[in-house]
Amino acid sequence: DAMVIQNPRYQVTQFGKPVTLSCSQTLNHNVMYWYQQKSSQAPKLLFHYYDKDFNNEADTPDNFQSRRPNTSFCFLDIRSPGLGDAAMYLCATSRDMITKETQYFGPGTRLLVL
Amino acid sequence: QQQVKQSPQSLIVQKGGISIINCAYENTAFDYFPWYQQFPGKGPALLIAIRPDVSEKKEGRFTISFNKSAKQFSLHIMDSQPGDSATYFCAASRSNYKLTFGKGTLLTVNP
Repeated sequence: DAMVIQNPRYQVTQFGKPVTLSCSQTLNHNVMYWYQQKSSQAPKLLFHYYDKDFNNEADTPDNFQSRRPNTSFCFLDIRSPGLGDAAMYLCATSRDMITKETQYFGPGTRLLVL
Repeated sequence: QQQVKQSPQSLIVQKGGISIINCAYENTAFDYFPWYQQFPGKGPALLIAIRPDVSEKKEGRFTISFNKSAKQFSLHIMDSQPGDSATYFCAASRSNYKLTFGKGTLLTVNP
């Protein structure tokens, strides 16, 4: 019944070693979002895809990239993780950005950078 | 500039009591105001949401009150239970595009 699936749930990487987090959805939603959430803070939007159109937030570091090969999958690539990138990474989806429907969040991937 | 201000940062309530969390927003273009509930190690889950054309929405023990002129909205949890212990985020957006979150309220309901 899981609608937004994130893998892995926990990821440990080394400082500077590239890492990829994945998200898949069974909702057939057009929009997919990536958020970064640090401890005791609100989720912070990194970027989103509306179908194949990529939209980067102005303050998202270049170190973060994303790919969406098809409707169901979206990936977050961190090219050179720093200690400050340790966080929970949340994927979310919504049907679109015109109709007034909610965003559905996945369980998140907790990233630890050693 | 924080566009959605949430208070209190933390809240302790006895079982059976009423939990009240408040949010204020600045952008008058916002037209969708959801509340999310997040348990430790989990992603946020939509709890209840309201649009500015109504002043109140109730779903079970959860009620949103909305004051458009004051640009404020609040979440009331009636008969609070220990299972309600979680972090609650208010948010605001224009037509569900790019949610702007408050900083969250850690609710603890004591048995």
